[in-house]
Amino acid sequence: RKEVEQDPGPFNVPEGATVAFNCTYSNSASQSFFWYRQDCRKEPKLLMSVYSSGNEDGRFTAQLNRASQYISLLIRDSKLSDSATYLCVPLDRGSTLGRLYFGRGTQLTVWP
Amino acid sequence: NAGVTQTPKFQVLKTGQSMTLQCAQDMNHEYMSWYRQDPGMGLRLIHYSVGAGITDQGEVPNGYNVSRSTTEDFPLRLLSAAPSQTSVYFCASSPGLGANEKLFFGSGTQLSVL
Repeated sequence: RKEVEQDPGPFNVPEGATVAFNCTYSNSASQSFFWYRQDCRKEPKLLMSVYSSGNEDGRFTAQLNRASQYISLLIRDSKLSDSATYLCVPLDRGSTLGRLYFGRGTQLTVWP
Repeated sequence: NAGVTQTPKFQVLKTGQSMTLQCAQDMNHEYMSWYRQDPGMGLRLIHYSVGAGITDQGEVPNGYNVSRSTTEDFPLRLLSAAPSQTSVYFCASSPGLGANEKLFFGSGTQLSVL
């Protein structure tokens, strides 16, 4: 899906490492963004919402670069429990409301 | 609150059979949607609804029908199942279409069409 592109990975990092991955979006009208986390064979769950230039929640930081049309997710001090797939969802208020398109996700594996 | 409840969790169909995937939410959410997830493809929007009596197509609606007769329920119907519909299906709901667009997902239905 070209509207939202994510590096599929996998990203394999040791515990304690810092890792970052990007999500690029094609629609410049996108104003808000969501990062969802999905564990294997489970439903996605909201990790973070981004309504302005960025957001920080503990070890997780999301940064939005509107000029280059990408949003990044930075995870510091990685834990084994961070192993999951991370999905990016831009919210485009200029188009039909209700159509939330997910990126294909970035797979992260944290090893001991 | 139970949240979003999907049934069944697993289903095996033969090509040409019909079935309905059930989705119910008890949070009084106006917005509900169905996604399918295939390996390497991420979540793709099938149909969605912004309220009772209102539905619209997503990006992969062919082969699926929906209706929204009540706020709580949003069933997904496969009229004639095909092997290409083998997938994991997720139902999701949201309080509305404003700033609070957080999606609450059901636990999914794994469907195999032989």
